[in-house]
Amino acid sequence: EVQLVETGGALIQPGGSLRLSCVASGVTVSLNYMAWVRQAPGRGLEWVALISNDGSTYYRDSVKGRFSISRDTSENMVYLQMHRLRAEDTALYHCVRDLGRLGGWLGHFDHWGQGTPVTVSS
Amino acid sequence: QSVLTQPPSVSGTPGEWVTISCSGSSSSIRGNYVYWYRHIPGTAPKLLLYRNGQRPSGVPDRFSGSKSGTSASLAISGLESDDEGDYYCATWDDNLSGVIFGGGTKVTVL
Repeated sequence: EVQLVETGGALIQPGGSLRLSCVASGVTVSLNYMAWVRQAPGRGLEWVALISNDGSTYYRDSVKGRFSISRDTSENMVYLQMHRLRAEDTALYHCVRDLGRLGGWLGHFDHWGQGTPVTVSS
Repeated sequence: QSVLTQPPSVSGTPGEWVTISCSGSSSSIRGNYVYWYRHIPGTAPKLLLYRNGQRPSGVPDRFSGSKSGTSASLAISGLESDDEGDYYCATWDDNLSGVIFGGGTKVTVL
C-alpha cells in the first residue's frame, strides 16, 4: 500500500522560508515522478513542482526561483524548500505520486498525501 | 486564473446524466492526456479518470471521459447523492512545461 505523509507546514511571516517533507512508503521515490500540489483556501487545485525519476525538476511560474523540489533516496523522502514566501502561497500542500511520464502523460496523480498546511501571514 | 476552463457548477437529480466540460488549448489538451479528479473537502483528492477516459480500479463505469481537439469532458450517468463534490480536469501544458488544473466544477445532486 502506498502512503505519502507530509510534515513541515507552519504559520510563517511573509518573506520567510519553510521546508516541507514527504515520507513515502510502498513507493520508491527515485523510480517515480513525485510532485507537490496545493490548494489555497476557497480555491482550486494548483500544481506546484515535479521531480522526475532522473532528477529533472519542473515548477509553476509563480514559484520559480523561490521553491525547490528535491529527494533523498536513502530516506525515500521528497522535499519542497520554499523561500521568500508570499501570502498567496498560503495553502494545503499535498505530496503526490505522478504515474505519468514526460511526453504528454504527466498529471496522473494516483496517490495523494493528506497534506500539510502553510499559512503565510504577519 | 486557470488555463483549463470548467463550468463552476453543475447539478442534477438522482438518476440523471450530467457532463462537465474542460476547455484547453493546442498546447495543453490537444497533445496530452487529460485526467479527472474528485475532491471532497477535508479529504485528499482522488483520481477518477486517467488518459482521457480510463477508470482506475474501484471507479464505477457510471463515470466516463472523452477528449476531442482542445476539449475534454467527464460524464456521470445515473447520478447518485454520493457523487457530490468538486471535480477537476488536469493535463500537461507544453508551453508552460507544467501540469495545469481546471478551476473545478461543483456537482450538486438536487
